[in-house]
Amino acid sequence: GNSVTQMEGPVTLSEEAFLTINCTYTATGYPSLFWYVQYPGEGLQLLLKATKADDKGSNKGFEATYRKETTSFHLEKGSVQVSDSAVYFCALSVRGSTLGRLYFGRGTQLTVWP
Amino acid sequence: EAGVAQSPRYKIIEKRQSVAFWCNPISGHATLYWYQQILGQGPKLLIQFQNNGVVDDSQLPKDRFSAERLKGVDSTLKIQPAKLEDSAVYLCASSLDGTNYNEQFFGPGTRLTVL
Repeated sequence: GNSVTQMEGPVTLSEEAFLTINCTYTATGYPSLFWYVQYPGEGLQLLLKATKADDKGSNKGFEATYRKETTSFHLEKGSVQVSDSAVYFCALSVRGSTLGRLYFGRGTQLTVWP
Repeated sequence: EAGVAQSPRYKIIEKRQSVAFWCNPISGHATLYWYQQILGQGPKLLIQFQNNGVVDDSQLPKDRFSAERLKGVDSTLKIQPAKLEDSAVYLCASSLDGTNYNEQFFGPGTRLTVL
């Protein structure tokens, strides 16, 4: 089936620290991969995406590379800020499907201290 | 551009009561999704509409949950009767169409507490 596994949180970092949140997936077809972010009191927002192997998605200093050989899509940021504190969700959608439904991981809570 | 609107934002009910949630998607978006997000878990799809037709309701507990999207715009999700395990955040999302490369835009969610 289709599923996403991401590292459990919470993750607590100091400002300017390096961030990695691991995400691996299983998919019945060829997936597109996404990272969504949920800031406190707000809805889910798309952070970045990649639609084929070796693509790198990037936004707001965050990056993730679609690794088909390791079925991974790890989220990284070189220097986190307090404003990055949020819950991060890895998700996939199977390419070629007209349904477009998203399969989400459990989410990783990130807290950044000044 | 206005985002996805949901109401109410919060709802507290007792078990066996009924509750309804409303969603207004982004104008022009043909596809509408309802997700259930239980505390500590990722969102899980309940039902997906393409215009006013259901394309996926395989995860919807049909003995107690129902949803409709009249006229292909607004949607309502109903639970009757509610159980304790229905306590969750109910998220509505919309996209231009159902293809997986179109971004889904999420509303703020309705937090349901069943006592």
